[in-house]
Amino acid sequence: AQKVTQAQTEISVVEKEDVTLDCVYETRDTTYYLFWYKQPPSGELVFLIRRNSFDEQNEISGRYSWNFQKSTSSFNFTITASQVVDSAVYFCALSEVAMNSGYSTLTFGKGTMLLVSP
Amino acid sequence: NAGVMQNPRHLVRRRGQEARLRCSPMKGHSHVYWYRQLPEEGLKFMVYLQKENIIDESGMPKERFSAEFPKEGPSILRIQQVVRGDSAAYFCASSPQKTGNGYTFGSGTRLTVV
Repeated sequence: AQKVTQAQTEISVVEKEDVTLDCVYETRDTTYYLFWYKQPPSGELVFLIRRNSFDEQNEISGRYSWNFQKSTSSFNFTITASQVVDSAVYFCALSEVAMNSGYSTLTFGKGTMLLVSP
Repeated sequence: NAGVMQNPRHLVRRRGQEARLRCSPMKGHSHVYWYRQLPEEGLKFMVYLQKENIIDESGMPKERFSAEFPKEGPSILRIQQVVRGDSAAYFCASSPQKTGNGYTFGSGTRLTVV
């Protein structure tokens, strides 16, 4: 069974600090996708990134960067120079394709609440 | 092209009433997924539907919960005789194909049972 662990329940930082959110996953499949979502206080889910299991290149998007390490089954997320608007709950998720059916569902971690104070 | 539309955004029901949550997928998307977010929990898969068919309802509670995605109109998640433990955020996602790699989530419906 697939599993996603976000060990950090809550992180507090001061504005402009860098912060890394950890995500460790378990899967038996060789083909899978990993996601990060942001849930701000308003409650909606904002898609941040999708990575497939064959692409281990790290990715940078503005102040956001992601480090995918297949050897340690981790997909960590770093925010550089954090801002108050980054305060949110961040979810890591894993998508696997169900055997013989061709469809996939997402398994989410429990989320990490990030609080950035001025 | 509008995104995934969920309504209502907030729903308050008294114990024992019925709750109906609606989800209109993105144009051209024929696959709908429902997820539930209980307080202090991550999101959990409930049900996957294609037009007029329930494909996987392994995450749905066995009683009181049902889902449909008719040929015309939105997908509906129906909760009969709600209890306080049903209070949660319910998210719908749609995709244009089976594999959920192109998921788009709606803004969710927050159900409060009083």
